[in-house]
Amino acid sequence: GENVEQHPSTLSVQEGDSAVIKCTYSDSASNYFPWYKQELGKGPQLIIDIRSNVGEKKDQRIAVTLNKTAKHFSLHITETQPEDSAVYFCAARPGFQKLVFGTGTRLL
Amino acid sequence: KAGVTQTPRYLIKTRGQQVTLSCSPISGHRSVSWYQQTPGQGLQFLFEYFSETQRNKGNFPGRFSGRQFSNSRSEMNVSTLELGDSALYLCASSLNGQGVDEQYFGPGTRLTVT
Repeated sequence: GENVEQHPSTLSVQEGDSAVIKCTYSDSASNYFPWYKQELGKGPQLIIDIRSNVGEKKDQRIAVTLNKTAKHFSLHITETQPEDSAVYFCAARPGFQKLVFGTGTRLL
Repeated sequence: KAGVTQTPRYLIKTRGQQVTLSCSPISGHRSVSWYQQTPGQGLQFLFEYFSETQRNKGNFPGRFSGRQFSNSRSEMNVSTLELGDSALYLCASSLNGQGVDEQYFGPGTRLTVT
């Protein structure tokens, strides 16, 4: 089945700097890649997603890139702000199967 | 449009008891998935229901069970509670739970077993 690896587990950045979180997946059938942000005491919130027919997607300070050949996708946050501090999860879904999540990255 | 709701938000139970958690999906969503979240284990998939049928199941013991009603609301039950069942239980809903369907999470139920 699908396996998603996420790095780093913790990322500390200065306010205003950029942050990059990387994920790799194993199943070439995966075609949907969402990213979630989880703040303390809350459920994960969908912040951006990308389909396998798209290489990059942007939403204000957040962008996600997908490299299908290498089977990896990344979340980029520019001009980081204190409210960006949270745990971020990547996920992948192979076709008609369930979402498989990465282990999370704590962004400080 | 209301989001995913879960009740209760907090629960304290004693070892050996059983507990039932409830989840109401976003209106129109037919797929409901349940996850267990603990500090050391991340998001662990429990099961997914679609049209009142369990479609996917994670690697959890039979003490964990669930069901879905005709209005897509779902419940999960944990019998004979153990200390290790203390966790945040998250429910998520999506239209059909497949392909490029977006999945939205509820706020979770924090279960503490003493």
